Amino acid sequence: AQSVTQLGSHVSVSEGALVLLRCNYSSSVPPYLFWYVQYPNQGLQLLLKYTSAATLVKGINGFEAEFKKSETSFHLTKPSAHMSDAAEYFCAVTLASGSARQLTFGSGTQLTVLP
Amino acid sequence: NAGVTQTPKFQVLKTGQSMTLQCAQDMNHNSMYWYRQDPGMGLRLIYYSASEGTTDKGEVPNGYNVSRLNKREFSLRLESAAPSQTSVYFCASRYSPDQPQHFGDGTRLSIL
Repeated sequence: AQSVTQLGSHVSVSEGALVLLRCNYSSSVPPYLFWYVQYPNQGLQLLLKYTSAATLVKGINGFEAEFKKSETSFHLTKPSAHMSDAAEYFCAVTLASGSARQLTFGSGTQLTVLP
Repeated sequence: NAGVTQTPKFQVLKTGQSMTLQCAQDMNHNSMYWYRQDPGMGLRLIYYSASEGTTDKGEVPNGYNVSRLNKREFSLRLESAAPSQTSVYFCASRYSPDQPQHFGDGTRLSIL
C-alpha cells in the first residue's frame, strides 16, 4: 500500500521568490513518484517523474524535485516563481513493483504567486 | 495528436437519471483509468482497466460501472445519479506502470 501527504493546501509566494511544495510518501516497496500541475478547468499535466534513476529530477517550466529515501520526501522546488506558475500541484506515488501499481494522489497544494 | 479525449465536457443531470461518460485515447496505451476530483480530496480512483478486456474497482466504485470497449475506449456509467456524484471526472491512460498517466480535460458533472 502507498500514501501521499502534501503539507500545506495553500502556499503563497512573491514573484521571483523560491517555490517549495512539500510531499511525503509512504510505501511498502520502492516507489515511483510524480508531480503533476493542474491549471483552472484543465486536466493534469506531468511536471516530472522519479523512477529510480537520478535522485534529483528536473522537469518542465524550471521545476525540479529531489527524492530523499531517508526522509521519505519528494519536495518540488523552483528557484524563482513566475505569475504563470499559479496553479494546483499534485504529488502522486505508485509502487515500483507488484501487481497493485495504481497511482495514489495527494490532496493537492494551491500555489498563489503575488506580484 | 489528440491524447485523451473526454465527452461531454459539461453535464447537468437530475437525481435518478443515468448517463455514460466517454473516454478515448490515441496513444496505444494499455491501461486506462477513471478518477473523480472533489475539493480538498485530490483525485480518487473509481475504476481502472489494466489491459484490454479487464476492469477492476478502485477506491470509490460504488454507484458506477465501466466498460473497456476496445484498447482505445473506456466508458464510465452512472446508472442512477445521486447528488453525491457531483464532481469533476477525469479519464487517464498510460502505457506501462513506470510511465506517467496522461489525463483528459475532464467532465464537469452536476446532479440536482
